[in-house]
Amino acid sequence: AQKVTQAQTEISVVEKEDVTLDCVYETRDTTYYLFWYKQPPSGELVFLIRRNSFDEQNEISGRYSWNFQKSTSSFNFTITASQVVDSAVYFCALSEASQGGKLIFGQGTELSVKP
Amino acid sequence: SAVISQKPSRDICQRGTSLTIQCQVDSQVTMMFWYRQQPGQSLTLIATANQGSEATYESGFVIDKFPISRPNLTFSTLTVSNMSPEDSSIYLCSVEGGRERTEAFFGQGTRLTVV
Repeated sequence: AQKVTQAQTEISVVEKEDVTLDCVYETRDTTYYLFWYKQPPSGELVFLIRRNSFDEQNEISGRYSWNFQKSTSSFNFTITASQVVDSAVYFCALSEASQGGKLIFGQGTELSVKP
Repeated sequence: SAVISQKPSRDICQRGTSLTIQCQVDSQVTMMFWYRQQPGQSLTLIATANQGSEATYESGFVIDKFPISRPNLTFSTLTVSNMSPEDSSIYLCSVEGGRERTEAFFGQGTRLTVV
């Protein structure tokens, strides 16, 4: 059965600290996709990244970076030099190729960045 | 990427009434998805809506409570029927898209409060 686990419910850091949000997934499909979304207090879901199961190359986008490791079924997200505007709930999600665009979400990690 | 317009953005409703949420996409899509996010919780898939067929509901969700229409490839509605305070949630419409239809795009959500 498919499942996404975000063990960190809440994280609080001080501005300019680096922070890593953990995501562990379970799936029986060999072809799947992993996502990270940001949900600010306004409620909309902001797409951050999508990775497919055949591409384990880590990715960096500005202050954001993602570490995908199939061996440990993890897809962790690091924010470097955090800023107050990074405060939000972050969701990791899994989509199996057989399921089209249907997503299974983790429970979310609430990140609070204090000035 | 797909642009999704969801209406209304928020509403306060009396218990026992029904609310219909609209989701309009700027391009034709095969599958549309409706999610619910209860306060402080993650997103849970309600149902998948394909044009020209009955929606497929996830465990715990039934058509009588959440009837869905999908009249064409760019539009869908979700009705929350006979509402109770427990239905207070954010309801989000999502569509598949992107390369190989493996990405998921979300509307801005409908924040529903039932009093």
